[in-house]
Amino acid sequence: EIVLTQSPATLSLSPGQRATVSCRASQNVGSFLAWYQQKTGQAPRLLIYETSNRATGIPARFSGSGSGTNFTLTISSLEPEDFAVYYCHQRANWPRTFGQGTKLEI
Amino acid sequence: QLRLLESGPGLVKPSQTLSLTCAVSGGYIRKGGHSWSWIRQPPGKGLEWIGYIYQSDKSYTNPSLASLRGRVALSVDTFRNYFFLEVTSVTAADTAVYYCARGGVGNLDFWGQGISVIVSS
Repeated sequence: EIVLTQSPATLSLSPGQRATVSCRASQNVGSFLAWYQQKTGQAPRLLIYETSNRATGIPARFSGSGSGTNFTLTISSLEPEDFAVYYCHQRANWPRTFGQGTKLEI
Repeated sequence: QLRLLESGPGLVKPSQTLSLTCAVSGGYIRKGGHSWSWIRQPPGKGLEWIGYIYQSDKSYTNPSLASLRGRVALSVDTFRNYFFLEVTSVTAADTAVYYCARGGVGNLDFWGQGISVIVSS
């Protein structure tokens, strides 16, 4: 299976700062990489699909980039509601897999 | 707006069968060519994709989840707009929040709120 490794495990920042989360795939996933946000006690929410496309209703401060095996989620200027756990996810191959998560904390 | 809602027992005894239902509203399972997935999240841990079902008779379960191998069944009722997860012979390792979602072949774009399942005697 394709292993997705996220870094860092925890990211401590303040509102207004820029956040960057990385996801490295053990094999080429092309552009089939998505990002999810999960707040405490809630279901994950699709943020970015196919590497760089924002899902419906996702603010422009969220962006994704990369290809092949290296991907990045960037939040340009953190809002208080952005502090959550972020997961990358690949659908290039079976079984679908998730990264282990990155906790973005204040 | 599509909505998904999981239901089932919150407590299951070891060795019993866990049966969960996902009710889909605001859209039709049988339309649009979508797949429908189950994902779980053990307490304090990350997301595990269990499998998906597609077009009533096509399903795929995650062979890398060794602990679930041979114990998972996925099914769908396209007329009532439900899909189902069964896990037999549960153990404490099956304690998790279980989510249903649209996607699996495609992106997981709509999720249920999740249902917490505890396996304990």
